[in-house]
Amino acid sequence: EDQVTQSPEALRLQEGESSSLNCSYTVSGLRGLFWYRQDPGKGPEFLFTLYSAGEEKEKERLKATLTKKESFLHITAPKPEDSATYLCAVQAAAELTGANNLFFGTGTRLTVIP
Amino acid sequence: NAGVTQTPKFQVLKTGQSMTLQCAQDMNHEYMSWYRQDPGMGLRLIHYSVGAGITDQGEVPNGYNVSRSTTEDFPLRLLSAAPSQTSVYFCASSSQGFYYEQYFGPGTRLTVT
Repeated sequence: EDQVTQSPEALRLQEGESSSLNCSYTVSGLRGLFWYRQDPGKGPEFLFTLYSAGEEKEKERLKATLTKKESFLHITAPKPEDSATYLCAVQAAAELTGANNLFFGTGTRLTVIP
Repeated sequence: NAGVTQTPKFQVLKTGQSMTLQCAQDMNHEYMSWYRQDPGMGLRLIHYSVGAGITDQGEVPNGYNVSRSTTEDFPLRLLSAAPSQTSVYFCASSSQGFYYEQYFGPGTRLTVT
């Protein structure tokens, strides 16, 4: 069964304390992995797309990496404004074309304390 | 450029009532979709559209209808609300498809009593 699991569920960091969020997946052929940021009461905001193992993308203090089984979102020297829920989504290969093979994880809620 | 807008922001319905959640985008995107987000579960696709006049079902379509008469608008209709439809609903749009960058609206929080 195709599945996306994010860990930890919640993470509290001191400002400047670097860490990583994990997204592990078991899908039938990865077509793409997406990271989104979601602030409370708002819709998700796109961050990155990764397509193949070994690929890396960076944006400000965030760096996303991808292996054959998981993706990491590394946060370097976080600031309080980085506090949000980070969602991972995985597109799996499907025998039938359609939109039913995009799976979202439940997210990691990050809190950065000043 | 307002992006993706959704109305209302909050709604309370009684079981059996019907209503329409509105979604509009001003980016001329062909792809639009509706998701629901429930505690402890990832976003789940309800219905989607690849262009005006074309819609299809997602993962959890039961109890919902959609239509797409224009590129800009993609309303979601609840036919007969049930408590199981209590959720936060997000509309999203994309210029290239669901497997690329999606722009999400601010959401509608729906409670069915």
